[in-house]
Amino acid sequence: GQQLNQSPQSMFIQEGEDVSMNCTSSSIFNTWLWYKQDPGEGPVLLIALYKAGELTSNGRLTAQFGITRKDSFLNISASIPSDVGIYFCAGRDNYGQNFVFGPGTRLSVLP
Amino acid sequence: EPEVTQTPSHQVTQMGQEVILRCVPISNHLYFYWYRQILGQKVEFLVSFYNNEISEKSEIFDDQFSVERPDGSNFTLKIRSTKLEDSAMYFCASKGTASYEQYFGPGTRLTVT
Repeated sequence: GQQLNQSPQSMFIQEGEDVSMNCTSSSIFNTWLWYKQDPGEGPVLLIALYKAGELTSNGRLTAQFGITRKDSFLNISASIPSDVGIYFCAGRDNYGQNFVFGPGTRLSVLP
Repeated sequence: EPEVTQTPSHQVTQMGQEVILRCVPISNHLYFYWYRQILGQKVEFLVSFYNNEISEKSEIFDDQFSVERPDGSNFTLKIRSTKLEDSAMYFCASKGTASYEQYFGPGTRLTVT
């Protein structure tokens, strides 16, 4: 089946630093969703991407739909302690309505 | 802001027992989903539901699982005879017709002993 890879698996950064993470696939996707999950809670939708090359922002978060349609990137600028959590990408191909999730990137922000 | 709700937040059950997990999707959404997340692992798709029938299901969603929309607001997941490996967080999600954006509930933690 389809699989997504996310890198890095985990990262430790200082408060105020910018963060970059990515999500890659061996197959083409038509939609990317980025979610954040806090411990013991449900994933919260951050950004949705629908077109190759699309760049979308949500506050300090910016996500891009890769031109090859096999990857997507999420950047967080000027990180703050509440950015701590696991960031999941989810992709949908052209054949289905449903999404496959990546394994997540765990972000830790040091004060 | 409308949100997906789920009950109970935590369910403990003995192996072999039936459990029903409940979800109230966002009120004007028509597509409903169940996902599972084993502790420390990624979110896994179980089933999607639209127009009162299953649209798609994964290999995880075997004969022990069933879904139902018993009324205009609830969406349920039933596990007929729970196994130890069914212990996980179960998330309900819903989406409207205008986009692919799925909104998740807070989850039900199922512990099978």
